[in-house]
Amino acid sequence: KAGVTQTPRYLIKTRGQQVTLSCSPISGHRSVSWYQQTPGQGLQFLFEYFSETQRNKGNFPGRFSGRQFSNSRSEMNVSTLELGDSALYLCASSLGAGTNEKLFFGSGTQLSVL
Amino acid sequence: AQSVTQLDSQVPVFEEAPVELRCNYSSSVSVYLFWYVQYPNQGLQLLLKYLSGSTLVKGINGFEAEFNKSQTSFHLRKPSVHISDTAEYFCAVSALSGGYQKVTFGTGTKLQVIP
Repeated sequence: KAGVTQTPRYLIKTRGQQVTLSCSPISGHRSVSWYQQTPGQGLQFLFEYFSETQRNKGNFPGRFSGRQFSNSRSEMNVSTLELGDSALYLCASSLGAGTNEKLFFGSGTQLSVL
Repeated sequence: AQSVTQLDSQVPVFEEAPVELRCNYSSSVSVYLFWYVQYPNQGLQLLLKYLSGSTLVKGINGFEAEFNKSQTSFHLRKPSVHISDTAEYFCAVSALSGGYQKVTFGTGTKLQVIP
């Protein structure tokens, strides 16, 4: 069974540009959540989708958005990139909607904003 | 709202020595507790989780954690570490938020095993 797949693995952009990151969850998983990881800040929750609906959102500006497709694949978009958006973006999937769900993480997309 | 505190950002320890990584949490509702490990250039993977029952939870790679409700802690321990345990460890809590699951992570503790 394939794990969580994130593409691309690395990305270099300049300030003001926009970027789209992709996440394919484990087959059968319906929940996808996104996290931003930076040194010293740990993992900051961005948002979570379940069956194409955003159920929870973290404290990030509106420049960060996402969506989930009917096949559970998810995309995250960041518009008008800032230097501070440089981070490792992690996607995690889980089977259902319970609070005891184990998260399965992808290897992440390393975004560098110059 | 829920929060997780990992006071130690880095923990150096000699090989074969014991280690304890500390985690404290706060929440106004019941939570489930997790420890995840992140090896270099990889995503996170689950080490262990506490849902209910025995407060001592055993995980993979010889790690264990003890849930202490009165102290709102979930410290991770290993009696004898190996070089391969060098990684970053994240404590996490999961609770209902707005009717749905929300997972909050701590800032992580880097375990450096010294040969």
